[in-house]
Amino acid sequence: DTAVSQTPKYLVTQMGNDKSIKCEQNLGHDTMYWYKQDSKKFLKIMFSYNNKELIINETVPNRFSPKSPDKAHLNLHINSLELGDSAVYFCASSQEGRGEAFFGQGTRLTVV
Amino acid sequence: GDSVTQMEGPVTLSEEAFLTINCTYTATGYPSLFWYVQYPGEGLQLLLKATKADDKGSNKGFEATYRKETTSFHLEKGSVQVSDSAVYFCALSDLAGSSNTGKLIFGQGTTLQVKP
Repeated sequence: DTAVSQTPKYLVTQMGNDKSIKCEQNLGHDTMYWYKQDSKKFLKIMFSYNNKELIINETVPNRFSPKSPDKAHLNLHINSLELGDSAVYFCASSQEGRGEAFFGQGTRLTVV
Repeated sequence: GDSVTQMEGPVTLSEEAFLTINCTYTATGYPSLFWYVQYPGEGLQLLLKATKADDKGSNKGFEATYRKETTSFHLEKGSVQVSDSAVYFCALSDLAGSSNTGKLIFGQGTTLQVKP
């Protein structure tokens, strides 16, 4: 049973396309996150939802839109993909008040 | 704003050597501190944590002590193995700060390669 699972693991797509990445956690956590890892391995938060409410929205192009249908799911939709969007995207979850987060396996997005 | 700085990598060691990866932080509040490990092709796994000054986190032979006076959280292991080869990330979460969002702020990561 994977605690935080995201799909797909790999995504190769052309510039201008729209794509989605899905994330689900079965840990009963109330907070979920999207992090982006660039080619130099640097990790930066993009979004966070707590109980389906958006609480963090870092400086991210509005082509990126997160959606949380319920506490256990947080999806990331990206419109009009650009070459610079190529990265590994990690979903994570945590319980409010506890700092440690549990991460999914990552989605490697390659825009060609 | 809050930040984390790690020593530059890559770090290359022989098996059974002593490991230290330096990490220092800047925070306005009283953060919790973490070390995460990322094995090739995988996600991040929590390695250890410390939530207040002088706490020592430990796991799988790795240790780190929360030093408030030097704002540091250096990772150490007495004898590394080839299987420890990975990227190590120091991170903080300022749960007591004004944002209290639980977001993690990461250092830039340090690649460790252990040779047989």
